[in-house]
Amino acid sequence: DGGITQSPKYLFRKEGQNVTLSCEQNLNHDAMYWYRQDPGQGLRLIYYSQIVNDFQKGDIAEGYSVSREKKESFPLTVTSAQKNPTAFYLCASSPSPSGGHPFYNEQFFGPGTRLTVL
Amino acid sequence: AQKVTQAQTEISVVEKEDVTLDCVYETRDTTYYLFWYKQPPSGELVFLIRRNSFDEQNEISGRYSWNFQKSTSSFNFTITASQVVDSAVYFCALSPMDSSYKLIFGSGTRLLVRP
Repeated sequence: DGGITQSPKYLFRKEGQNVTLSCEQNLNHDAMYWYRQDPGQGLRLIYYSQIVNDFQKGDIAEGYSVSREKKESFPLTVTSAQKNPTAFYLCASSPSPSGGHPFYNEQFFGPGTRLTVL
Repeated sequence: AQKVTQAQTEISVVEKEDVTLDCVYETRDTTYYLFWYKQPPSGELVFLIRRNSFDEQNEISGRYSWNFQKSTSSFNFTITASQVVDSAVYFCALSPMDSSYKLIFGSGTRLLVRP
């Protein structure tokens, strides 16, 4: 089955530690995204990548880093510089419009990772 | 600036009632996409509908219907004969038809359908 997987589902970290959240997709999508969701709020864009080896900052990139070495994978590292990292993190992917895909800009989401800083 | 407003934070209805979730958006773009997503308690966002700015036709899919009105910058979502399984958080989102690929989300409306 095609889809997006995120691991782990729940993650606990001690203050001051870096932690990496995994996101893998087998949909052959060019673009991938990371969002953060806080209770009672909408999703806010952290980083996005339109193509392998390239990524752009979103609205709240401070304290986060990403890499895009493979088309299928877009891991997010939450660094110790992120002041308030406890949140629900969602990864998404979408096809590139250059392929003429009819669902241009429709993003498909993974199940999310809930990060708690102790 | 581009923005999506979902003024209803939480709505509670009794099963079989009809319910409308409001969405108002702001954009200076002449072309854009609008979306609705459902987020059940499991957390994963489920795509419901995509509408481009050129298509103001209302759409119906089973118990779901959407009313897009460019004149009032609104894209409202109605559930007819609501069911307990409809309980979730619903997000409206806006995407410009450019190369940014971004989705701009509203803050969501939590719908509780009571038996």
